[in-house]
Amino acid sequence: EAGVTQFPSHSVIEKGQTVTLRCDPISGHDNLYWYRRVMGKEIKFLLHFVKESKQDESGMPNNRFLAERTGGTYSTLKVQPAELEDSGVYFCASSQGDSPLHFGNGTRLTVT
Amino acid sequence: DQQVKQNSPSLSVQEGRISILNCDYTNSMFDYFLWYKKYPAEGPTFLISISSIKDKNEDGRFTVFLNKSAKHLSLHIVPSQPGDSAVYFCAASERYSNYQLIWGAGTKLIIKP
Repeated sequence: EAGVTQFPSHSVIEKGQTVTLRCDPISGHDNLYWYRRVMGKEIKFLLHFVKESKQDESGMPNNRFLAERTGGTYSTLKVQPAELEDSGVYFCASSQGDSPLHFGNGTRLTVT
Repeated sequence: DQQVKQNSPSLSVQEGRISILNCDYTNSMFDYFLWYKKYPAEGPTFLISISSIKDKNEDGRFTVFLNKSAKHLSLHIVPSQPGDSAVYFCAASERYSNYQLIWGAGTKLIIKP
């Protein structure tokens, strides 16, 4: 069974540019989550999809962040325009029901 | 305001000995607790969980203890092995589910040969 895959693994962009992160969850998993870890601190919840619907996006920092999950399959997280404080590792996770979350390897975003 | 705290950024343990990782929380509404393990350049991997109706859960070399009155949980690894060297995250939620997990900052465990 393929795990959660994230692309790209690394991204370096300049302040003001746009970046789009992609996550492919495990096939059949209805729940998809985005988390972020900034500078070795705690992992923080960003948002939760159930299929194609946003269940909770209370963790999204501001309106520069936009997440979508078209068709309830893969998800994208767009940051536009990027700011320096957006740097960190963005993790995607998926689950089915209340089974434990399966995480991808993350996308390390560096904004310069 | 951190609701889940892992006060030890790192811990070094001799191979074969017991590793004890600690986690404290402030929200008395948390009823589900998990430990995840993370290797460099990888995502966290689920290790073990416990619900608030229990005070102990065991899975092979890994045991999690929950002390609700002290709002404290710990992960015991015995015996510790070199492959256990990783960052360990404690996480908690209010709804006995994965919904909106609140995470600690992690503890880096180093197993010395």
